[in-house]
Amino acid sequence: DAKTTQPPSMDCAEGRAANLPCNHSTISGNEYVYWYRQIHSQGPQYIIHGLKNNETNEMASLIITEDRKSSTLILPHATLRDTAVYYCIVRGNYGGSQGNLIFGKGTKLSVKP
Amino acid sequence: EPEVTQTPSHQVTQMGQEVILRCVPISNHLYFYWYRQILGQKVEFLVSFYNNEISEKSEIFDDQFSVERPDGSNFTLKIRSTKLEDSAMYFCASRGQGAINYGYTFGSGTRLTVV
Repeated sequence: DAKTTQPPSMDCAEGRAANLPCNHSTISGNEYVYWYRQIHSQGPQYIIHGLKNNETNEMASLIITEDRKSSTLILPHATLRDTAVYYCIVRGNYGGSQGNLIFGKGTKLSVKP
Repeated sequence: EPEVTQTPSHQVTQMGQEVILRCVPISNHLYFYWYRQILGQKVEFLVSFYNNEISEKSEIFDDQFSVERPDGSNFTLKIRSTKLEDSAMYFCASRGQGAINYGYTFGSGTRLTVV
């Protein structure tokens, strides 16, 4: 089963920042936090991942608390095209092992005009 | 940007028939995966494949399922005798190796409908 807890749904106004929380209180020291999203019935899309430092890329920012028990994905200026289900996933990055992605139910983000 | 390509996009088959779903992973990727998503439900892990063998499989991946990488570019999922409950979206994914390659790239999926 997924090792994360996310709210089932959130709304965000277009142009505003979307802040999506995730709890992962049982995360272990070698496990990363990954975020993916799924727009309608398309394949999941990788967004960002991090271990303990905050991360930023062209899509989003990831803020991880100091105790690593929770994180927040930030979409700085949400657009209608960001409406999707967002998945927070904890996974180990072992040298040659697979560390498969296990999806939970995610957060359905609705961006409204 | 490199893509994972899946064919066909939609397959309709009769119960009991064999189906093969095809995937072309990103060319320099080494790890390959199949997932499925029944309508309205979670994305479920089926199987992972590395170095020409299955590395892990879920309870869903029973004897009716098999995977193959026949020619070094394609990665296929075969369902021997389809059941109604196999109707789902099937997603292929691949992953490279190394610090910058920890994200999976998913294909756009094959919608399998068993009638």
